[in-house]
Amino acid sequence: DGGITQSPKYLFRKEGQNVTLSCEQNLNHDAMYWYRQDPGQGLRLIYYSQIVNDFQKGDIAEGYSVSREKKESFPLTVTSAQKNPTAFYLCASSLPRALAKNIQYFGAGTRLSVL
Amino acid sequence: GESVGLHLPTLSVQEGDNSIINCAYSNSASDYFIWYKQESGKGPQFIIDIRSNMDKRQGQRVTVLLNKTVKHLSLQIAATQPGDSAVYFCAENWDQGGSEKLVFGKGTKLTVNP
Repeated sequence: DGGITQSPKYLFRKEGQNVTLSCEQNLNHDAMYWYRQDPGQGLRLIYYSQIVNDFQKGDIAEGYSVSREKKESFPLTVTSAQKNPTAFYLCASSLPRALAKNIQYFGAGTRLSVL
Repeated sequence: GESVGLHLPTLSVQEGDNSIINCAYSNSASDYFIWYKQESGKGPQFIIDIRSNMDKRQGQRVTVLLNKTVKHLSLQIAATQPGDSAVYFCAENWDQGGSEKLVFGKGTKLTVNP
């Protein structure tokens, strides 16, 4: 999975609980992304970060939060405000556009389910 | 090919045949396109890309064709093998005033029969 590590592989959330999904990359990429994938659907962008200490909302940011304190790490928190969190979550990273095409490389994903 | 809706388009081919997977994209200003392959339970894997100033690009056993007039992209896989069975996504690159994002299609499920 190309130097992007997501953990855990499977995660269960109880009602009203916040959970955090980990994403670490050793590709020295500046940009990182979080996507949500529902069965039979494409990828929808939750949050992205082009540089450390900066991030922007994607198309479906409500109920999620992120931080980018280190270049290598971009954790995603699924908060209790996200009422339908069951999905497959994918993290990706890419080089800055100025240096390369926007090819995003993906981790193996975390499957989140609600208990 | 790909389409809007809840049902994933499917393509079933015999081993050794050529496969063609289609994608209609939405933004005429998209400058760059990527095809990804996603096997069950895994993350998407980069296959091939093409810039908007090209209409064809070839890789190993794969060819991508771009028709900007009708906003259509296709992925051709030669001599399809069982290992090619996966969901294939096209993605278009949107440049939003210095910030870029990839917009993904819904995907096409390719099944290769031995």
